[in-house]
Amino acid sequence: DAGITQSPRHKVTETGTPVTLRCHQTENHRYMYWYRQDPGHGLRLIHYSYGVKDTDKGEVSDGYSVSRSKTEDFLLTLESATSSQTSVYFCAIGDRDEQYFGPGTRLTVT
Amino acid sequence: SQQGEEDPQALSIQEGENATMNCSYKTSINNLQWYRQNSGRGLVHLILIRSNEREKHSGRLRVTLDTSKKSSSLLITASRAADTASYFCATDNSGGATNKLIFGTGTLLAVQP
Repeated sequence: DAGITQSPRHKVTETGTPVTLRCHQTENHRYMYWYRQDPGHGLRLIHYSYGVKDTDKGEVSDGYSVSRSKTEDFLLTLESATSSQTSVYFCAIGDRDEQYFGPGTRLTVT
Repeated sequence: SQQGEEDPQALSIQEGENATMNCSYKTSINNLQWYRQNSGRGLVHLILIRSNEREKHSGRLRVTLDTSKKSSSLLITASRAADTASYFCATDNSGGATNKLIFGTGTLLAVQP
C-alpha cells in the first residue's frame, strides 16, 4: 500500500459524536486526499491537501474537516457523526497521473 | 457528480476468456486512468492513457480512448481467477489546475476458475 497507513481500520460510533481518522504516509508526497466509497457511488473526494496547512474541499465536504500540520499526516474529522457518514474512507497520495491508496477505514455510525 | 460511468456494472466470465469493460465520461479530460480494487483493499493503479493517445498496452491490459465519444475501454486478455476485482476508471479534467481525479462507479469482474 505504498507506505500509507490508516487508523483506525474499523470504528463504530454513535450519532452526534466527533470522530477523527488518521492517514500517515512515509513517501513525503505533497498531495494527500480523503475519499469515501459507497455502493453505487464509487469513490468521491471529500477534501485534499496540497501541502502543510494547505487544504481544499472536494465533492462531498459538508460535515467533514481536515488538518495537515505535518507532511506525513492528514487527519479527517467528522465534527458530529451522522448515519449518512457510514462508509469506507480511503486516504490517497499522488497526483493527476497516479494515486496510491491506503487500506481504508470502515466507519459505522449507529 | 460522477465523471465516469462504467459499463457493465458486473461481469462474470470463465478463466481464459477476455474481459471488456467500458467507461464514459462527460467533460474534456487530460488523461484517463484505470484502477483495480480487490475486496476489502485500497485501489491500485493499472494504467494511464493521455488525451492525445488512442491505445495503450501493459501486459495483458489494453486500454483504448475515444475522445470524440468521451469513452474508454479496458480489455483484460486471458483472464485469471486472480483478476477478480472491481475496476474503476478515473479522469483528470482539471486542465492542470489541480491534482484531483474523478472516479466512476466501477465494474465488478468475477472470473470463474
